[in-house]
Amino acid sequence: DTGVSQNPRHKITKRGQNVTFRCDPISEHNRLYWYRQTLGQGPEFLTYFQNEAQLEKSRLLSDRFSAERPKGSFSTLEIQRTEQGDSAMYLCASSSPGRENTEAFFGQGTRLTVV
Amino acid sequence: RKEVEQDPGPFNVPEGATVAFNCTYSNSASQSFFWYRQDCRKEPKLLMSVYSSGNEDGRFTAQLNRASQYISLLIRDSKLSDSATYLCVVVSNTGKLIFGQGTTLQVKP
Repeated sequence: DTGVSQNPRHKITKRGQNVTFRCDPISEHNRLYWYRQTLGQGPEFLTYFQNEAQLEKSRLLSDRFSAERPKGSFSTLEIQRTEQGDSAMYLCASSSPGRENTEAFFGQGTRLTVV
Repeated sequence: RKEVEQDPGPFNVPEGATVAFNCTYSNSASQSFFWYRQDCRKEPKLLMSVYSSGNEDGRFTAQLNRASQYISLLIRDSKLSDSATYLCVVVSNTGKLIFGQGTTLQVKP
């Protein structure tokens, strides 16, 4: 499978715990995006990388959220001291800009439930 | 004001109907535009890119009006399998993909 891969697919955690999600993009893609989606809403931008550089981070994100892409390949998203409001689907996407109108491909997401 | 705005619907239409979705965006420097489709509890997938000249793919037609900062999607001869959420996506001048809220379509027999 050469698509975008996200792990784990599901995560249930207790409030206050830290969680980390992983995203493996399509291998030749240099851009990687993280989004959060709740029921009835479109994907909400969290952050994105070009290679290993984090280009932008949403102002809506608290300091509890951090993302890395240390070698410009896979990325991790960590949420510290989780809250019930963090319960959502976390989506990762990758793209390879340079060609006009290059699409982004999504992984199947990690569904987080904070209890 | 949201960066990308869509009417959330839902749009309930009979099979064979023509339905149109609209989307507006706030950043006039936006570079690229897409429509994505998302099925229930699945990830979004590209439906079609949107070009200034307009483009068609079978029963689907997308239009872009840069002056009005407006994007549309027309679906002709709706099928039951078209039932899904349609997401308007705008790529900003910084390369960020921004999604609208999504418009839900339910096609009924």
